[in-house]
Amino acid sequence: AQSVAQPEDQVNVAEGNPLTVKCTYSVSGNPYLFWYVQYPNRGLQFLLKYITGDNLVKGSYGFEAEFNKSQTSFHLKKPSALVSDSALYFCAVSYNFNKFYFGSGTKLNVKP
Amino acid sequence: NAGVTQTPKFRVLKTGQSMTLLCAQDMNHEYMYWYRQDPGMGLRLIHYSVGEGTTAKGEVPDGYNVSRLKKQNFLLGLESAAPSQTSVYFCASSYQREPGDTQYFGPGTRLTVL
Repeated sequence: AQSVAQPEDQVNVAEGNPLTVKCTYSVSGNPYLFWYVQYPNRGLQFLLKYITGDNLVKGSYGFEAEFNKSQTSFHLKKPSALVSDSALYFCAVSYNFNKFYFGSGTKLNVKP
Repeated sequence: NAGVTQTPKFRVLKTGQSMTLLCAQDMNHEYMYWYRQDPGMGLRLIHYSVGEGTTAKGEVPDGYNVSRLKKQNFLLGLESAAPSQTSVYFCASSYQREPGDTQYFGPGTRLTVL
């Protein structure tokens, strides 16, 4: 069965500190992994994705994510958090053309 | 280029009423999807379409019907609304010319069923 886990409902960081939002997946075959961000009362916006190649993927707004096949993880990171990064973050996995499986979301709070 | 748009943005229904949610995309995408978002559960796929005239069931299809009569539009219908269908509904679309193509989301429809 395919599934995505985001073990933290909420992550709190101070502005300027590094942030990590965790994601692990369980899927057969080769996964395609995504991070999306959702601001209040808005739809999901694409941040970055891993398809193949370099395990470190760089995306929008200074975010990056590291694919770790042995640990089946795809953690989202940013070296220096901004207050404007506060939002809801979703990890998603796809293994074919048709279906995406989303995690339950992690609320990121960046405090000044 | 408006991307993905959804109509309406908000709606309140009484139990047993029916309604249709409209999703439109102007990116010439083949694939379209309907999700529902509930607190603590992420997004769950209701139905999807791989092209004009085709639809398929997702993870939580019961109580919903869909139609894709035109490539740019994907309609989600609730024939007899129930309180359990109170949720935020998101439409998405993608090219899906290859695995891993990005999905683009609409702004959502907040539905309350009393």
